[in-house]
Amino acid sequence: GAVVSQHPSWVICKSGTSVKIECRSLDFQATTMFWYRQFPKQSLMLMATSNEGSKATYEQGVEKDKFLINHASLTLSTLTVTSAHPEDSSFYICSASVLDPGVETQYFGPGTRLLVL
Amino acid sequence: AQSVTQLGSHVSVSEGALVLLRCNYSSSVPPYLFWYVQYPNQGLQLLLKYTSAATLVKGINGFEAEFKKSETSFHLTKPSAHMSDAAEYFCAVRGNTGKLIFGQGTTLQVKP
Repeated sequence: GAVVSQHPSWVICKSGTSVKIECRSLDFQATTMFWYRQFPKQSLMLMATSNEGSKATYEQGVEKDKFLINHASLTLSTLTVTSAHPEDSSFYICSASVLDPGVETQYFGPGTRLLVL
Repeated sequence: AQSVTQLGSHVSVSEGALVLLRCNYSSSVPPYLFWYVQYPNQGLQLLLKYTSAATLVKGINGFEAEFKKSETSFHLTKPSAHMSDAAEYFCAVRGNTGKLIFGQGTTLQVKP
């Protein structure tokens, strides 16, 4: 149980285009979903927290107009990188949180590697 | 505010040897603590978590961790390392807002 999927697993795009990444909790309904970014050899950096039907809460320094998050249902959240540039190239990981048991526990997706040319 | 410190960014052990990955936390409230493992180019997999039910927590793949309040520690151990244990390990504490606060990670290398 507690499986989270991400699609696509990797994507290459041209500078200036937009890219959408999907995050789905496959066998549970998530109370909250999170989006992270990870640079090589570094820990995860939280970008935003997302709840179904609400606007996402972005961390300081994250451009909300650049990284659009939509949380359409209790099992699906999407991250759209708008007008992507090479500096947006990174590994993006989502997680879904569920009460499991006794504490909200985050389960992570496999990640999406984005390369912007 | 909560925080996590992982001592040692890189740990190297021989196959069959004890694995010890260190994690110290800071929290003003009883903490919820987690260990995750990340294999190359993959997401994070939950190894185990502490929820105050028991101080010794057993996880997957033979790992366990002991919560020591007096030492503010939650070190991860495994009696006998396998080559497949080579990965990045992250300790995390759940913050007041539900966010996870991660340590910087420890790379575990297992030598044959």
